[in-house]
Amino acid sequence: GESVGLHLPTLSVQEGDNSIINCAYSNSASDYFIWYKQESGKGPQFIIDIRSNMDKRQGQRVTVLLNKTVKHLSLQIAATQPGDSAVYFCAEQRNQAGTALIFGKGTTLSVSS
Amino acid sequence: DTGVSQDPRHKITKRGQNVTFRCDPISEHNRLYWYRQTLGQGPEFLTYFQNEAQLEKSRLLSDRFSAERPKGSFSTLEIQRTEQGDSAMYLCASSPGGARGAFFGQGTRLTVV
Repeated sequence: GESVGLHLPTLSVQEGDNSIINCAYSNSASDYFIWYKQESGKGPQFIIDIRSNMDKRQGQRVTVLLNKTVKHLSLQIAATQPGDSAVYFCAEQRNQAGTALIFGKGTTLSVSS
Repeated sequence: DTGVSQDPRHKITKRGQNVTFRCDPISEHNRLYWYRQTLGQGPEFLTYFQNEAQLEKSRLLSDRFSAERPKGSFSTLEIQRTEQGDSAMYLCASSPGGARGAFFGQGTRLTVV
């Protein structure tokens, strides 16, 4: 079936390092891809999104890269901080009308100082 | 705080009982979503409203589940005859018209004993 998933369930980095979290998707018809951060006991928090006609988008300390050829999405976090420790999910949105976001399983990022 | 509000935050119920959860979206967001999340998994889409109209329902939403958004503002999710497999975090999210992504509440954690 169609799904959005992540390559690695966990990622451990040192404070100050750059982190790269990966995601593979299967539905080439998706219009938007979105990264969410979820801390323990909280709901997912929007980080950054990218439209399918783009290949890169930058935010504050974060960059999302989209490779439609291999259906791959990544989130790069610069100068990772302990506060970045959380579970990260990529999600796809199948049209612009705001219908269901489809989430993958998530990558747990642990940042040690 | 004018974010998405969910009530209660935690609910423990005996198997077979009915439970109802409430979600208050961000003011003037016309789209409202319900998701379910179990430990270690990404949120799973349940249903979606645009104003008071329920436009999409997942196959996960069995006939024991019902959701309403009677006035296009707050929404309720009811689970009848709860089963242990219903134990999960139930997340509500909202978005304004035409927007991509969604803003999530803190969730209601349901435990069925």
